[in-house]
Amino acid sequence: QVQLVESGGGLVKPGGSLRLSCAASGFSFSDYYMNWIRQSPGKGLEWVSYISAGGITIDYGDSVRGRFTISRDNAKNSLYLQMNDLSAEDTAVYYCARDDHGAGIAHHWGQGTLVTVSS
Amino acid sequence: EIVLTQSPATLSLSPGETATLSCRASQSVRTYLVWYQQKPGRAPRLLISDTSNRATGIPARFSGSGSGTDFTLTISSLQPEDFAVYYCQQRGNWPYTFGQGTKLEI
Repeated sequence: QVQLVESGGGLVKPGGSLRLSCAASGFSFSDYYMNWIRQSPGKGLEWVSYISAGGITIDYGDSVRGRFTISRDNAKNSLYLQMNDLSAEDTAVYYCARDDHGAGIAHHWGQGTLVTVSS
Repeated sequence: EIVLTQSPATLSLSPGETATLSCRASQSVRTYLVWYQQKPGRAPRLLISDTSNRATGIPARFSGSGSGTDFTLTISSLQPEDFAVYYCQQRGNWPYTFGQGTKLEI
């Protein structure tokens, strides 16, 4: 079955960086669009970024554009999110999600990893 | 960006009753409206895509309707496991956006 396991979250100081990973299994990873979606008590659910199956098509939400970079390694069945210049507003649970049709629907979600930005 | 407003914020009902949840978009999203269910400590789960298409394994008591800017999620004959938070999400325009959620409580 589809499994998505996020890792890499933790406590980081404002201005710091963090790299999240999502290990995928149970499906042909290279066939699917993948996404990062975050959830915080203050801002609710927010679609952070997506990447096409081949890694060519990428986009970001305005709040993270220029600071976050999404990438994938299809040989390792892994999705990544490099987060730089973090602020308190980035504190959230970050979910990795598979989009079955590349159409903006999060069909399958990981369990999430918590990122806390605090001094 | 498109703002989705869900109402009510909280809905208190009993098992066996019918729940009607609303989602209103700040501009037309055609039928590109998605619903998710989230239980405490869990990731959201896809319920319905494109207004009315139930995801795999979702019971028939969950139904969706609407178009343009006004959408409804109806849950008939509420079961104990249906009490959760429900979110709508639009995929009509990037950035995809979510509503703030409706908590369905017993």
